[in-house]
Amino acid sequence: GAGVSQTPSNKVTEKGKYVELRCDPISGHTALYWYRQSLGQGPEFLIYFQGTGAADDSGLPNDRFFAVRPEGSVSTLKIQRTERGDSAVYLCASSPRRPYGGPNTGELFFGEGSRLTVL
Amino acid sequence: KQEVTQIPAALSVPEGENLVLNCSFTDSAIYNLQWFRQDPGKGLTSLLLIQSSQREQTSGRLNASLDKSSGRSTLYIAASQPGDSATYLCAVVGNEKLTFGTGTRLTIIP
Repeated sequence: GAGVSQTPSNKVTEKGKYVELRCDPISGHTALYWYRQSLGQGPEFLIYFQGTGAADDSGLPNDRFFAVRPEGSVSTLKIQRTERGDSAVYLCASSPRRPYGGPNTGELFFGEGSRLTVL
Repeated sequence: KQEVTQIPAALSVPEGENLVLNCSFTDSAIYNLQWFRQDPGKGLTSLLLIQSSQREQTSGRLNASLDKSSGRSTLYIAASQPGDSATYLCAVVGNEKLTFGTGTRLTIIP
């Protein structure tokens, strides 16, 4: 598609359940990011992929959170044993090249987000 | 640790006025700065990207400036319209990761 696509757009689950959120980046974009945004706050970094590998996962809050990008395109954010504090909008972004670590810094394009509500 | 601050948190202005949104950051070692717009319940739309070597970028009624040494950026919106109402976020890219401010919620009063 023309933009970053995220599914589902809304997910309501019960505490303790497992959740998967999917991100389809813009075709050809090698860099992919996951952010989490709580109400009234700016997005917080979770993890960054360059190709298939996680180049920086320092933003993942704990080991209940995991993300994969097996073929260097679609990525899935996985949350185990969900807690009420995990409720937020999970945003995915892609970029045609790595945004930091060099002079060729790229612009980030965001999806609409997946709103997760843990009851 | 990079910290990004946006002041004010909320701003209301009458339609037609020019306005300035402010963004400040604590670590001047950045590669670029990006301004985004976010409508309620929506994702982020990129408005302008300023590389660290640049001083400003313009797109239509928007002009963003960057003063890296003082850790500041401004987003200037000319001739504001009700459709400009949204939350505006700035984000800096540095040695660590993309860091966002908390945003300025802008309301243009018709």
